[in-house]
Amino acid sequence: GESVGLHLPTLSVQEGDNSIINCAYSNSASDYFIWYKQESGKGPQFIIDIRSNMDKRQGQRVTVLLNKTVKHLSLQIAATQPGDSAVYFCAENYGGATNKLIFGTGTLLAVQP
Amino acid sequence: DAGVIQSPRHEVTEMGQEVTLRCKPISGHNSLFWYRQTMMRGLELLIYFNNNVPIDDSGMPEDRFSAKMPNASFSTLKIQPSEPRDSAVYFCASSSGLASTTGELFFGEGSRLTVL
Repeated sequence: GESVGLHLPTLSVQEGDNSIINCAYSNSASDYFIWYKQESGKGPQFIIDIRSNMDKRQGQRVTVLLNKTVKHLSLQIAATQPGDSAVYFCAENYGGATNKLIFGTGTLLAVQP
Repeated sequence: DAGVIQSPRHEVTEMGQEVTLRCKPISGHNSLFWYRQTMMRGLELLIYFNNNVPIDDSGMPEDRFSAKMPNASFSTLKIQPSEPRDSAVYFCASSSGLASTTGELFFGEGSRLTVL
């Protein structure tokens, strides 16, 4: 029979617009957070990271915001391009001071030309 | 560098058969991770090694799963006997330091397993 799969949240944006992808993490003791991008048929690829002593970090076209009060992360992508279409995952070092990276469920970003 | 190399890329097997997935981490990396990805459960950490020693295997589903890292350049994930619910994409990743501080796990292309 048909299996019930995880329904990925989907964000659809127009090429050139800014994208904001949100993530709620689970452990208040986690002190390091990372965003990964996964293109179809490939493994996840590191985008940007942030430590808990920061609330914002910028990279090339990407910005990560961290709100520890509500355990929330966001990834902002400026001037979204078709090549940005992928699934985006946030990850936390679960509980802090550990090699154990736990990934969120992911968000599918679909860029419309 | 060739990156993390996994084999096979695809495997189709019948229930009850033994499955062995292989991983070659990036040379010089001292941490290795096995993840499983399914639509139902997303990306799950199964086990990770540091300097060839298993550190945390709490994500390994059950005794049918085992992982080894006999040396710094090779790891295996074995499923015996396999079941249809093991069907998933299995990723191997490596990092050069504490993943909790450097963040950059380098993932392989994955091994897609289908158990009939």
